[in-house]
Order: sequence, then C-alpha cells, then structure tokens
Amino acid sequence: EAGVTQSPTHLIKTRGQQATLRCSPISGHTSVYWYQQALGLGLQFLLWYDEGEERNRGNFPPRFSGRQFPNYSSELNVNALELEDSALYLCASSLMNTGELFFGEGSRLTVL
Amino acid sequence: DAKTTQPTSMDCAEGRAANLPCNHSTISGNEYVYWYRQIHSQGPQYIIHGLKNNETNEMASLIITEDRKSSTLILPHATLRDTAVYYCIVRVRKTSYDKVIFGPGTSLSVIP
Repeated sequence: EAGVTQSPTHLIKTRGQQATLRCSPISGHTSVYWYQQALGLGLQFLLWYDEGEERNRGNFPPRFSGRQFPNYSSELNVNALELEDSALYLCASSLMNTGELFFGEGSRLTVL
Repeated sequence: DAKTTQPTSMDCAEGRAANLPCNHSTISGNEYVYWYRQIHSQGPQYIIHGLKNNETNEMASLIITEDRKSSTLILPHATLRDTAVYYCIVRVRKTSYDKVIFGPGTSLSVIP
C-alpha cells in the first residue's frame, strides 16, 4: 500500500514568489495535516483538512493557505514568500476517527 | 502549546533498553498517549499509542502510570538506527477537531 506522497521533494523560490506544495494521503484516509519544520526546530502545526473542509489552523499568517480536493489530496500555498519560510513542509494523513498520523517525507522549500 | 513535557536529550548504549519518559499531567480521560519518532530529515514515524493499559508492539512498549499523568516508551534493545527525536503527544482518538501539537521531543542518541 502506498504511503503519503508529497511533491515536489525540493523547491527553490525567491522572496515574494508563491510556492505550491502537494500531498496525496494514504488511500482511504480523509484527514490531511500540514506541518512546518524549520532547520533544527520542531514541527509547527499549520493546517488540518478533513472531508474537504479546513478543521483547524495553527498560528501562521493568512498567506499560508491550502485546500483539500474531493479525492482527499491537498495543496499548501504560501504567498509572498519570506526568507524565514525556508523549511521542511510535512504532510500527514489519518482516518478521522483514529489518532495515528502517517507522514510523508516532506517537501523542502528554500527561499532565496 | 504542547500538552506534554519530555527531556531534551538522552543517551543509551547499543543493545540496552532505552526508556524515554513523558509527563502529561493535564491529560483528560478521553485522551490517548501517542509516540512518534523522527530520524534526521525524514518524516515522523508512528510508534505506538495507549489509553490506560500498557501496550506492546514490534517496535516498542508503552507503560502508562495508573494516574495516567506520565508514561514511558521502552525500546527493549536499542540499535544505532534508533537514534532519532522521539515525540510524545496526547490527543482524543475519536472525532475531534483539536490541533495535533508536537513538542520539541527527546533527542535519543544510541551509542556504540
């Protein structure tokens, strides 16, 4: 069974540009979570989607946004990129009524 | 904020048991204890979870105190590949829109 897949693996952008990151959950999983992990730091909760709806949001500015599609895949958009947005962006999926999160390998975003 | 506290770092000799403590003194009756680990630059990996009773799987054992205010993750025979950051989190297992917050975790170094 395929795990959580994220694309792209690496992405390089310049300040002010927009970045789009994609996540495909495990088949049958309806919840998708996004986390930001800056170098050497912990996982910071970004967004949580379930059944196409945004269910909860972390303490990030509105330029961090996303959506979940009918097939439960998800997209994270970061507008007006800043240098400090450089980080590993991790996606996880789960069944809504369980607690186990299954993570992808992440997308590393570098902002120059 | 994370609902758990863990030591920042620990060392363990290869082949010995690694005992990683976690304090969750404000845990609610319907919250489960989950453990994950993150090997350098990879996505976090689910290890084990429990509610009240001790749990064991092929990776580890989880010991939860009777008052549920703390728990210990046990890796019975640590190997070098167990060197990672270990995260302890608590959350409701059934439908809930709570954020899944990871604390800084414990950095475990397994020493040859």
